[in-house]
Amino acid sequence: AQSVTQPDIHITVSEGASLELRCNYSYGATPYLFWYVQSPGQGLQLLLKYFSGDTLVQGIKGFEAEFKRSQSSFNLRKPSVHWSDAAEYFCAVGGGNQGGKLIFGQGTELSVKP
Amino acid sequence: EAGVAQSPRYKIIEKRQSVAFWCNPISGHATLYWYQQILGQGPKLLIQFQNNGVVDDSQLPKDRFSAERLKGVDSTLKIQPAKLEDSAVYLCASSLLLVTGLEQYFGPGTRLTVT
Repeated sequence: AQSVTQPDIHITVSEGASLELRCNYSYGATPYLFWYVQSPGQGLQLLLKYFSGDTLVQGIKGFEAEFKRSQSSFNLRKPSVHWSDAAEYFCAVGGGNQGGKLIFGQGTELSVKP
Repeated sequence: EAGVAQSPRYKIIEKRQSVAFWCNPISGHATLYWYQQILGQGPKLLIQFQNNGVVDDSQLPKDRFSAERLKGVDSTLKIQPAKLEDSAVYLCASSLLLVTGLEQYFGPGTRLTVT
């Protein structure tokens, strides 16, 4: 079955500290992987995506993610968190013959301490 | 360019009533998606349109939910009759084409509360 797991429901980090949000996926075909961010009352915004090639992908707002096929993971990282990064983060997978269909994880809520 | 527009932003209804949500995608986007996001969960695809045709509605509870995209532009999602478990945020998204991996642009959502 196709699925995405985000093991951490809520994470709190101090401003300026590094961040890593975990994402594990189960997908039968070659996965297309995405990270979206959702601020309160807002829609989802794409941070970055991975299709093929270099397994370390750069996104907007200083985020990056690394695809590790052997671990079925696509973890999101940021070297120094800003207070404005507080939001909900969703990992999603798509691909194969699914057209545009995405399967989302349950999300990780990020809080930033001053 | 203007983003995906949705209305209303908030709606409170009683169970067994009906409700409709409206979505206007980004101009020129052929593909339109409706997602349901229950509190504490990630979005779940309900239905996917390519122009005015349905591509995937396998997750749509067809006994109470319906959706249409007349003329391949705006779309409406209707629930009739509503149940308590339909309380959620309903997100509309659009993409330029029905291509795997193409970015989906999301609207702000409609928050539905069923009492």
